[in-house]
Amino acid sequence: AQSVTQLDSQVPVFEEAPVELRCNYSSSVSVYLFWYVQYPNQGLQLLLKYLSGSTLVKGINGFEAEFNKSQTSFHLRKPSVHISDTAEYFCAVSVQGGSYIPTFGRGTSLIVHP
Amino acid sequence: NAGVTQTPKFQVLKTGQSMTLQCAQDMNHEYMSWYRQDPGMGLRLIHYSVGAGITDQGEVPNGYNVSRSTTEDFPLRLLSAAPSQTSVYFCASSFTSGGANEQFFGPGTRLTVL
Repeated sequence: AQSVTQLDSQVPVFEEAPVELRCNYSSSVSVYLFWYVQYPNQGLQLLLKYLSGSTLVKGINGFEAEFNKSQTSFHLRKPSVHISDTAEYFCAVSVQGGSYIPTFGRGTSLIVHP
Repeated sequence: NAGVTQTPKFQVLKTGQSMTLQCAQDMNHEYMSWYRQDPGMGLRLIHYSVGAGITDQGEVPNGYNVSRSTTEDFPLRLLSAAPSQTSVYFCASSFTSGGANEQFFGPGTRLTVL
């Protein structure tokens, strides 16, 4: 079975600073990887996903993530954050060709201070 | 498209009461699921369905019941509410296709059990 670890439960950062949210996964087979964002009092929405091909994936709102197979990581980055990026971020993994049921990490709360 | 809709948005129950959380999607997705979100616990899968007439248990199914009579609807029933079921509940849907598809989430139902 696959698992996901989000290493930071909370990441405080000042506006216009860069940010990295860390995600590591464990799986014995190839995976698909996802980042979702949850704004306050809303449901989750897709930020970006890695299915295959280029290991650098660009998503909405200026976010990007890099798939590193050797380190089993899929860290999310943004070079300059805004107040509006304050939200909960979830990393998720599903197994290629296997169960369509994704496994979610516990989430990282990004708090952007002015 | 309305996407994934959930009703009600908020609900307060007394211990022992029963109720049904409604979920509907208009994207013809085969896969639907219910999650609960609790602080520090991330998303935990309650029940899921891969098509009309087919349901299965997730990680935390006790105290909940589901059925799937149509592709569009996937209601979640609380049989006898307990304070431990106080949580935010999310319904999600997707195409199945071996795990590559993103999950679409509803806006959530915030449930308090007194």
